[in-house]
Amino acid sequence: QSALTQPRSVSGSPGQSVTISCTGTSSDLGRYNYVSWYQQHPDKAPKFMIYDVNKRPSGVPDRFSGSKSGDTASLTISGLQAEDEADYYCCSYAGSYTWVFGGGTKLTVL
Amino acid sequence: EVQLVQSGTEVKKPGESLKISCKGSGYTFTTYWIGWVRQMPGQGLEWMGIIYPGDSDTRYSPSFQGQVTISADKSVDSAYLQWSSLKASDSAMYYCARRSSSWTIDSWGQGTLVTVSS
Repeated sequence: QSALTQPRSVSGSPGQSVTISCTGTSSDLGRYNYVSWYQQHPDKAPKFMIYDVNKRPSGVPDRFSGSKSGDTASLTISGLQAEDEADYYCCSYAGSYTWVFGGGTKLTVL
Repeated sequence: EVQLVQSGTEVKKPGESLKISCKGSGYTFTTYWIGWVRQMPGQGLEWMGIIYPGDSDTRYSPSFQGQVTISADKSVDSAYLQWSSLKASDSAMYYCARRSSSWTIDSWGQGTLVTVSS
């Protein structure tokens, strides 16, 4: 099972929007609408941000949104804030009780 | 509130055995799958495997099958990740995480740092 493909880094200025892509295959991300996104600050555990492609858990700001088209999912963060600077990981269910993660994207708020 | 609390930092020598734990609270532990995820230093997240504490049904990622053992003890609401003979390459942060009612991983433990060095 190969990792999902994410850009290594993205950046944006406060108030701007950024989009992080996540590309899989027809066996994982393209097959299931069970894409989730996690935010990880340095030396912290991942935090659950988006699930089932575009749903937000309670407490996650609506500045965070998700989408999917074919084998590619995206996380968009609008109105960037300094505290959004972190690593972001996508994840897809891949069948047979297996999940696959992306390699992670480092978001820098300029 | 759902909480997963993991055991503390471990420093081991190559060849030694190790068992780390993950204790769930704030929900019915036996009815949610618990998975394990590895994060090597400066690297991304890797799926290792998952267990259903209710009946100990366990599934492994092919990459970790035979390398680790996942178990659970429902009497103490805990899941475990075990090595019989550690290698330096096992040095990493290990997270337990809960599968939600959907096919999604929602809650995470705080992580257990394992360092294997002679």
